[in-house]
Amino acid sequence: GNSVTQMEGPVTLSEEAFLTINCTYTATGYPSLFWYVQYPGEGLQLLLKATKADDKGSNKGFEATYRKETTSFHLEKGSVQVSDSAVYFCALSVDTSGSRLTFGEGTQLTVNP
Amino acid sequence: GAVVSQHPSWVICKSGTSVKIECRSLDFQATTMFWYRQFPKQSLMLMATSNEGSKATYEQGVEKDKFLINHASLTLSTLTVTSAHPEDSSFYICSARDPARGPYEQYFGPGTRLTVT
Repeated sequence: GNSVTQMEGPVTLSEEAFLTINCTYTATGYPSLFWYVQYPGEGLQLLLKATKADDKGSNKGFEATYRKETTSFHLEKGSVQVSDSAVYFCALSVDTSGSRLTFGEGTQLTVNP
Repeated sequence: GAVVSQHPSWVICKSGTSVKIECRSLDFQATTMFWYRQFPKQSLMLMATSNEGSKATYEQGVEKDKFLINHASLTLSTLTVTSAHPEDSSFYICSARDPARGPYEQYFGPGTRLTVT
């Protein structure tokens, strides 16, 4: 079956620190990969995506590269801000519309000033 | 942006009763909606996919007679938890797709916390 594994949280960083949240997956076929972010009290929002191997998704200073050889899609940001504090979910989809999502456990990120 | 709302945001019900949760797309037409369930400190688990005007497709292991889904219009889907029991207590999240916005765009509601006493 399909599954997504994220690094355990919570993660606490100081402002301007470098962020990495690890994500690895197992899937049948060739999945599309996503990072979603959930800010307090809000619904999940798509942060970035990559639909084929070696693609790099990027948005708001975050980026992740689809690594087929290591089945990974690690999220990185060079300098985090307090406003980045949220829960981050890695997800995959194997259907062509990218609809039915399989999520990781989520990683709580807290950035302190 | 596309907004999805859920109502109620929080509900408590007694064991054996039924409770209905609404999911609305406020500024777009959602041909497909999804219902997820989230346990504390765990991932979202897809329960079912509903397309407007047709029966929902349930994921393996999800009781369709217990979790009734109705996608009656392009802006509204409802999840009814029938004969609720304490083990049904959870956080229920819906999402909606508008194909006109691209194949990977999916918009999530803020969730509904159900507590069954």
